[in-house]
Amino acid sequence: NAGVTQTPKFRVLKTGQSMTLLCAQDMNHEYMYWYRQDPGMGLRLIHYSVGEGTTAKGEVPDGYNVSRLKKQNFLLGLESAAPSQTSVYFCASQRALETGELFFGEGSRLTVL
Amino acid sequence: DQQVKQNSPSLSVQEGRISILNCDYTNSMFDYFLWYKKYPAEGPTFLISISSIKDKNEDGRFTVFLNKSAKHLSLHIVPSQPGDSAVYFCAAYSGAGSYQLTFGKGTKLSVIP
Repeated sequence: NAGVTQTPKFRVLKTGQSMTLLCAQDMNHEYMYWYRQDPGMGLRLIHYSVGEGTTAKGEVPDGYNVSRLKKQNFLLGLESAAPSQTSVYFCASQRALETGELFFGEGSRLTVL
Repeated sequence: DQQVKQNSPSLSVQEGRISILNCDYTNSMFDYFLWYKKYPAEGPTFLISISSIKDKNEDGRFTVFLNKSAKHLSLHIVPSQPGDSAVYFCAAYSGAGSYQLTFGKGTKLSVIP
């Protein structure tokens, strides 16, 4: 019963490098989200998807791109990493909008040097 | 402009006593509120929620109270246990097609044995 799985768990990048974070959920949820958590900032929404093939911007989308080619997967890409993108990234999925309950992955810690 | 505020970054409570975590919000459109609990190196997990049509919701040792006129909610944990030591996030949702949960910055609860 995996729930929401994020890979990789840790990554160190140099400024300007690119990478992709993968989120996979096995609960057949329609809605998926990428958040970042920074010290003293809580969780901030980067991008989200309301279904396969759809994506939308959240609160802090700049510098990130996303894709949802399959219902179970939601990818977060950094085309040219910057030190300001050093953070812990959380993916979440949601069964229904009415409840608001999100199921989170364990997080991916990214450091950009 | 922070719409969900958790003004206490940290709270220490003796084991067996009551823990009260507070949350204030400014957006009157919020109609559903959730509390999440987060342990270090793990993703947030859903704890309890309350709809704006209620003023109290109870689940075992956890009770959430909502005061709409004051735009205030609180989470009560009775009795507090050392395993409750974690960061607690308050989150709000305006429903009606909104896809974004707005999170507070979190309160770190330490339950002292």
